[in-house]
Amino acid sequence: NAGVTQTPKFRVLKTGQSMTLLCAQDMNHEYMYWYRQDPGMGLRLIHYSVGEGTTAKGEVPDGYNVSRLKKQNFLLGLESAAPSQTSVYFCASSHQLNTEAFFGQGTRLTVV
Amino acid sequence: GEDVEQSLFLSVREGDSSVINCTYTDSSSTYLYWYKQEPGAGLQLLTYIFSNMDMKQDQRLTVLLNKKDKHLSLRIADTQTGDSAIYFCAERKGSARQLTFGSGTQLTVLP
Repeated sequence: NAGVTQTPKFRVLKTGQSMTLLCAQDMNHEYMYWYRQDPGMGLRLIHYSVGEGTTAKGEVPDGYNVSRLKKQNFLLGLESAAPSQTSVYFCASSHQLNTEAFFGQGTRLTVV
Repeated sequence: GEDVEQSLFLSVREGDSSVINCTYTDSSSTYLYWYKQEPGAGLQLLTYIFSNMDMKQDQRLTVLLNKKDKHLSLRIADTQTGDSAIYFCAERKGSARQLTFGSGTQLTVLP
């Protein structure tokens, strides 16, 4: 049982480049989330989805876009990467609102 | 998250008890959570407490909630080196669909 899988695990981008982070879950969860983790700041929610075809903004959505075309996948896109987007990105999913959220292993992104 | 605060570091000796503290600001918080993050890994849910409870015990873990002071604590009994990790407190406010996380407490267990 893979749980929540993120790809890639590491990436270095140049300023202005674009990329997509993929999150896949095999637990048939409705809710999926993208967080970024920065030193001393905990996790901050970027975007989330409450079901296939839906997306919503979180706490820090600027500079990111997301899509949930299939229930099992939640994609996070950076159209024009900036050094401020250097961070560790975590995807999570949960069955319902108040049930346990399962996290992926994280993607370490460096923008130079 | 500004709404949830934790101290950044805690060191204890192996076999002692650890107490990790957290304060939150929103009195409408319904669920409060403790997550553990080991190096290079994602977050793992350790335990949670509903806001109408004041204590929850699960093996070596004890969660205490003081709603009046908006204070949450996690006590780990007989702390082991494998408990070394970052511990995050998180709250869910009312019907909000997302969690608000604290900055995390780095627990170091010394031999």
